Amino acid sequence: DGGITQSPKYLFRKEGQNVTLSCEQNLNHDAMYWYRQDPGQGLRLIYYSQIVNDFQKGDIAEGYSVSREKKESFPLTVTSAQKNPTAFYLCASSIEAGGTYEQYFGPGTRLTVT
Amino acid sequence: AQKVTQAQTEISVVEKEDVTLDCVYETRDTTYYLFWYKQPPSGELVFLIRRNSFDEQNEISGRYSWNFQKSTSSFNFTITASQVVDSAVYFCALLPYNYGQNFVFGPGTRLSVLP
Repeated sequence: DGGITQSPKYLFRKEGQNVTLSCEQNLNHDAMYWYRQDPGQGLRLIYYSQIVNDFQKGDIAEGYSVSREKKESFPLTVTSAQKNPTAFYLCASSIEAGGTYEQYFGPGTRLTVT
Repeated sequence: AQKVTQAQTEISVVEKEDVTLDCVYETRDTTYYLFWYKQPPSGELVFLIRRNSFDEQNEISGRYSWNFQKSTSSFNFTITASQVVDSAVYFCALLPYNYGQNFVFGPGTRLSVLP
């Protein structure tokens, strides 16, 4: 089945450690996105990528980094510079870069940093 | 400024009641797209509908219907004869055409349908 996978579902890290969240899609979508969701709030865009080897900062990119070496993969690294990393992270993709199509979402990774 | 407001933080209804979720948006763009997503307890957002700013026709899909009114900048979502499985957080989102890929999400409305 086509879709987006994120692993792991739950992730625990100590403060000061970098952590990488995985996102893979087999939908052959050009564009991929990372969002952060905090309780009682909507989604906020961290980074997005319209094409391989290219990505753009979203509204809250500070303390995060990404790479897009393959069309199917868009990993997100939460660095120690991110002041409040505990959150629910959602990866999404859409069929066309620069288009206005709906985004499809993965199941999310809940990151807890203590 | 681009903004989406969902004034209802939480709504509780009893099964079989109808319920309307409100969405009000702000944008200076004349071309834009509006979306509704459902987030069940599992966490994954599920796409429900996409509507462009030039199409004000209301849409019905089974028990779901959407009312788009440009005059009031609203894109409301109605569930008819609600069911327990409709319990979720619902997000309205705006994508202005000249805003790159940046969807603007509302804060969401948590709907609880009680048996």
